Amino acid sequence: AQKVTQAQTEISVVEKEDVTLDCVYETRDTTYYLFWYKQPPSGELVFLIRRNSFDEQNEISGRYSWNFQKSTSSFNFTITASQVVDSAVYFCALRVVYSSYKLIFGSGTRLLVRP
Amino acid sequence: EAQVTQNPRYLITVTGKKLTVTCSQNMNHEYMSWYRQDPGLGLRQIYYSMNVEVTDKGDVPEGYKVSRKEKRNFPLILESPSPNQTSLYFCATAQGNEQFFGPGTRLTVL
Repeated sequence: AQKVTQAQTEISVVEKEDVTLDCVYETRDTTYYLFWYKQPPSGELVFLIRRNSFDEQNEISGRYSWNFQKSTSSFNFTITASQVVDSAVYFCALRVVYSSYKLIFGSGTRLLVRP
Repeated sequence: EAQVTQNPRYLITVTGKKLTVTCSQNMNHEYMSWYRQDPGLGLRQIYYSMNVEVTDKGDVPEGYKVSRKEKRNFPLILESPSPNQTSLYFCATAQGNEQFFGPGTRLTVL
């Protein structure tokens, strides 16, 4: 069975601090995708990144970076120099390629960035 | 512009009053699905459809129905809503490596 665990329910930081959101996944399949989504207070889901299981290179996009480690089944997300606009709920999700397009989501981490 | 639309965006209703949440996509994708989002549980799949006239249960299908008579539309039907169906609902479509979500429908059942 597949599962995604986001153990951090809520994180509160002060602006300009760095923050890491953890994501641990479980699957026996070797071909899969991992995703991060942002859900701002307005409620829509904003796609941040997709990573396939064969690409363990870390990725950086501006203040955002992702660390994918198959050895620990983790796909962690770091925001550098956080800003108030980063306040949102962040979801990690897993898609196993051979089970259609279904996404298995973690429970989400609520990030509050205080001025 | 690639789009998934949902209507209504907000709905307050009472127990037992049938309702339909519509979903439409303009990408000509074969696959569509519905998720519900609840605090502490993330998003869970309700139903999905691999093509016209082909639908299947997801992880939490109880109390819901869907239909797929045309490729672009995938309505979610609650024939007798109950308070435990109060949730945020997302329609989604996918093709290749891409997933597209609608803006969400916030449903409250009193």
